[in-house]
Amino acid sequence: DQQVKQNSPSLSVQEGRISILNCDYTNSMFDYFLWYKKYPAEGPTFLISISSIKDKNEDGRFTVFLNKSAKHLSLHIVPSQPGDSAVYFCAASARYRDDKIIFGKGTRLHILP
Amino acid sequence: ETGVTQSPTHLIKTRGQQVTLRCSSQSGHNTVSWYQQALGQGPQFIFQYYREEENGRGNFPPRFSGLQFPNYSSELNVNALELDDSALYLCASSPRTGESSYEQYFGPGTRLTVT
Repeated sequence: DQQVKQNSPSLSVQEGRISILNCDYTNSMFDYFLWYKKYPAEGPTFLISISSIKDKNEDGRFTVFLNKSAKHLSLHIVPSQPGDSAVYFCAASARYRDDKIIFGKGTRLHILP
Repeated sequence: ETGVTQSPTHLIKTRGQQVTLRCSSQSGHNTVSWYQQALGQGPQFIFQYYREEENGRGNFPPRFSGLQFPNYSSELNVNALELDDSALYLCASSPRTGESSYEQYFGPGTRLTVT
């Protein structure tokens, strides 16, 4: 049972445009959400997070939006740069239950020149 | 500041054997989590250690076990290896306090192949 779903295995975006990566979750106990970026032969790197008490969090070119009623979050990257080409994982946690972090399967983002 | 390191980088074992993977946490981090990442999947939580005690476990059988040492480094042991254990094993460390405890810092992983 996939509690965190990333339904797009891959996404291609022109350099300079906006990249939007989507994530859906099923467990209403999740109260903290994270995005990780992974390059080949490296471990995932923490990118940005959001608590369930917020609906938006920004960090430079990266913004995460949370829609609790739809159990949906998205990561916006503006403007997209060649170095953004990587696999992006959405992850979620129910912090007051345990420390387990549940990851989605990832979306491979290709930034086109 | 030293990041999370893992050894070995790659490992080939045969079915039924036992394996030990090692992880050194980032300086100042007292919590270590282990994940299994199969091909085409996201990382799956195996277990977490905090102050040398297991602090949460995912849906993995008891033949997956671990240790954390006083210097916060950690080992993952897998007994009676099965073909399906072939995966990338990731270690992540984090500080225990505050929201940043969920910003886990990953090592590069150990690629285990079971034949």
